[in-house]
Amino acid sequence: QKEVEQDPGPLSVPEGAIVSLNCTYSNSAFQYFMWYRQYSRKGPELLMYTYSSGNKEDGRFTAQVDKSSKYISLFIRDSQPSDSATYLCAMSAGGMRFGAGTRLTVKP
Amino acid sequence: ETGVTQTPRHLVMGMTNKKSLKCEQHLGHNAMYWYKQSAKKPLELMFVYSLEERVENNSVPSRFSPECPNSSHLFLHLHTLQPEDSALYLCASSQDSQGGYGYTFGSGTRLTVV
Repeated sequence: QKEVEQDPGPLSVPEGAIVSLNCTYSNSAFQYFMWYRQYSRKGPELLMYTYSSGNKEDGRFTAQVDKSSKYISLFIRDSQPSDSATYLCAMSAGGMRFGAGTRLTVKP
Repeated sequence: ETGVTQTPRHLVMGMTNKKSLKCEQHLGHNAMYWYKQSAKKPLELMFVYSLEERVENNSVPSRFSPECPNSSHLFLHLHTLQPEDSALYLCASSQDSQGGYGYTFGSGTRLTVV
């Protein structure tokens, strides 16, 4: 079993849709949970950061962590074409582990 | 441009060439990393430097040789590479090697080995 599992997609949605991106993990020691966004020909940029369980909201983005289920999610409300990118989940317990990334396309 | 700068952006090299990738950060971070990114695969950690000391080396072939002369600069020296080494090489930095506050990545070097 991989330490971090992420569906690579691709995922295509119409503009304005709610997007749900998810990752599961196996290491219960993970305490820091992150989402990175990577545009084409760019490096990943930190989008959301959460410590332990709970929700965190930043504008149109909401990150959720459920440690009991070892499951994290990123929700994007009112998705825009500019949200088209690859989204990588990451988690850390003294060393970062990344998911493979989900490629998202938001169509106008 | 982010706080982490990588050069060159693109590199094509033959299997017998020797080249170097450069990474520079001016964020005051104490840890720097080299990652390999291949299509549809998770980021592969190659090397970790904390306070200029190598703290992790994930069984990377010896044809990849890192160098960290100071806390702001990181190099990856390449020699006698194989076609399967073609990938995006990403440099990242963080406040400390635990990475609890996330990483700042550069834009990467797209390497093609012919």
